[in-house]
Amino acid sequence: GAVVSQHPSWVICKSGTSVKIECRSLDFQATTMFWYRQFPKQSLMLMATSNEGSKATYEQGVEKDKFLINHASLTLSTLTVTSAHPEDSSFYICSARDPSGSADTQYFGPGTRLTVL
Amino acid sequence: GDSVTQMEGPVTLSEEAFLTINCTYTATGYPSLFWYVQYPGEGLQLLLKATKADDKGSNKGFEATYRKETTSFHLEKGSVQVSDSAVYFCALSRGGNKLVFGAGTILRVKS
Repeated sequence: GAVVSQHPSWVICKSGTSVKIECRSLDFQATTMFWYRQFPKQSLMLMATSNEGSKATYEQGVEKDKFLINHASLTLSTLTVTSAHPEDSSFYICSARDPSGSADTQYFGPGTRLTVL
Repeated sequence: GDSVTQMEGPVTLSEEAFLTINCTYTATGYPSLFWYVQYPGEGLQLLLKATKADDKGSNKGFEATYRKETTSFHLEKGSVQVSDSAVYFCALSRGGNKLVFGAGTILRVKS
């Protein structure tokens, strides 16, 4: 089946630094990828939709300049948390849509745990 | 806007017990409905889905029927196992657009 990977699986950084998280579709080309944030014991909240070769579409309330998304190829999207602060600590999850499959099915990565000290 | 409401957990059951996790939704039109499962330390996996009214999605002994009249998509399993312990998310999507998730329900199965 379709596999999506994320790297790193966890990261700890100091306040004020930037962190990049990678999301890769391993066995299919993903024209659309999604970035979610999951707080402890809560659901996933969509942050942005990333389309290959174009600017990401951010959900209301998500700061574009803080969460930079780049989808430069059909198998890779990156999320950069700029000038991270402790409140950015969270579990970040990406997903990808396989264009050869069902239009409404997304495949999820294992997530990245970000801790900002 | 679209929303999904699912029963709060945690739900604690003994092995071989019957499972129901309730899920209702609010959406215009005819959304596709999903159940995702998140095992400890892993990412979300699609468990089952249904794309139109009266469709039944099934997988690994789990079932859910798309009920348009009650706007529900309750998840059921006749006999749970310890390995079913996980967090279950109900979700909807309209026209292949973004997924809207419920809050998730923790299931704990004791041997």
